[in-house]
Amino acid sequence: GENVEQHPSTLSVQEGDSAVIKCTYSDSASNYFPWYKQELGKRPQLIIDIRSNVGEKKDQRIAVTLNKTAKHFSLHITETQPEDSAVYFCAASTGNQFYFGTGTSLTVIP
Amino acid sequence: DGGITQSPKYLFRKEGQNVTLSCEQNLNHDAMYWYRQDPGQGLRLIYYSQIVNDFQKGDIAEGYSVSREKKESFPLTVTSAQKNPTAFYLCASSIAGGTSGNTIYFGEGSWLTVV
Repeated sequence: GENVEQHPSTLSVQEGDSAVIKCTYSDSASNYFPWYKQELGKRPQLIIDIRSNVGEKKDQRIAVTLNKTAKHFSLHITETQPEDSAVYFCAASTGNQFYFGTGTSLTVIP
Repeated sequence: DGGITQSPKYLFRKEGQNVTLSCEQNLNHDAMYWYRQDPGQGLRLIYYSQIVNDFQKGDIAEGYSVSREKKESFPLTVTSAQKNPTAFYLCASSIAGGTSGNTIYFGEGSWLTVV
């Protein structure tokens, strides 16, 4: 089955700096890659997603890039703010199941 | 994702007890899922169902059981066979399990603690 690896597990940045979280996947049949933000004790919420026919997608301060050949995708957050502090999960899906990374705990230092 | 309701929010289980977590969705989604999340850990799939009256085991199904008698409901029973059930349980749904690009939405979660 699919194996999704996510790095780093923790990340601290100064407010205003950029943050990058990287994920790799193993199943070339995966064709949909969502990213979720989870605040403590709450449910994961979708923040951005990308499909396999697209290389990059941007939504305001958040962007995701996908390299199908290398089987990796990344989340980029620019101009970070304290409210960006949370755990971020990547996922890969073939359509039948969703496979999640182990999460990155992002702390934005004011 | 506000259309997925989990209950109860907090549940305490005594040793040897079975407990059932409820999950209801009004999004008309075909596929439903149960994930377990331990503190500081990722999401692990317990069971999933792509259609009524059918469900499949995930990576950690032992000690759990589910049913899918109605499209909108996918309850999870944590049996006494699950020796370490203390965790945060997340129910989720998506439009159609076999269609690419349909994202998954989560309920608010249920905290289960063994006492």
